[in-house]
Amino acid sequence: EVRVIQSGAEVKRPGSTVKFSCTVRGYTFVDFSVHWVRQAPGRGHEWVALINPEEGRTVYSAQFQGRVSVTADASTDTSYLELRSLTVDDTAVYRCEAESPRAGLFWGQGSLVIVTS
Amino acid sequence: DIQMTQSPSSLSASVGDSVTLTCRASQAIMHYLAWFQQKPGKAPQPLIYAASTLQSGVPSRFSGSGYATEFTLTIASLQPEDFATYFCQQYNFYPVTFGQGTRVDIK
Repeated sequence: EVRVIQSGAEVKRPGSTVKFSCTVRGYTFVDFSVHWVRQAPGRGHEWVALINPEEGRTVYSAQFQGRVSVTADASTDTSYLELRSLTVDDTAVYRCEAESPRAGLFWGQGSLVIVTS
Repeated sequence: DIQMTQSPSSLSASVGDSVTLTCRASQAIMHYLAWFQQKPGKAPQPLIYAASTLQSGVPSRFSGSGYATEFTLTIASLQPEDFATYFCQQYNFYPVTFGQGTRVDIK
């Protein structure tokens, strides 16, 4: 059984940085591409970034380009998303989605970040 | 960006009914379409990937079909636990984009 385990909730000040982790268990990590998606209160899903751990390839949404970084550590089966220069509009649940052409797609439980002064 | 349009936005149905939800892509996305079920405050649960492949562990009353721009999710014989919001996701092009969801509630 594939499990996607994310880090816990955070409260941040405007202008600060948040870093989330996402660990994939139960399948070969490098078989997956890892997407990061956010959902703000009352809004739909918004794609942020992708990393392919095997290739080291990253793709970023133009909306976040320049203030987001995604990395992966194959030794711990973990991907990380760092979002900088936070504003109140970044308040959302951030989820990672592991995508495998063989196994399908799997979502983590989400990491809530609240940005407040 | 690829626009994903779901219809209807909501529907009411009874336990035992069969329902079909539609997702349309603004450009051809081959078979790179997934369906998810989401309940309030919970993570999305995957149902279908690659347009028609049932995710492991998902009941066989769920089925998906389609290719390119037109896709459907059918739930045969609705069960009480199926009342939820369903959304589609295309993952052929970046940015990955999502439909706005179809809410299925009890008539």
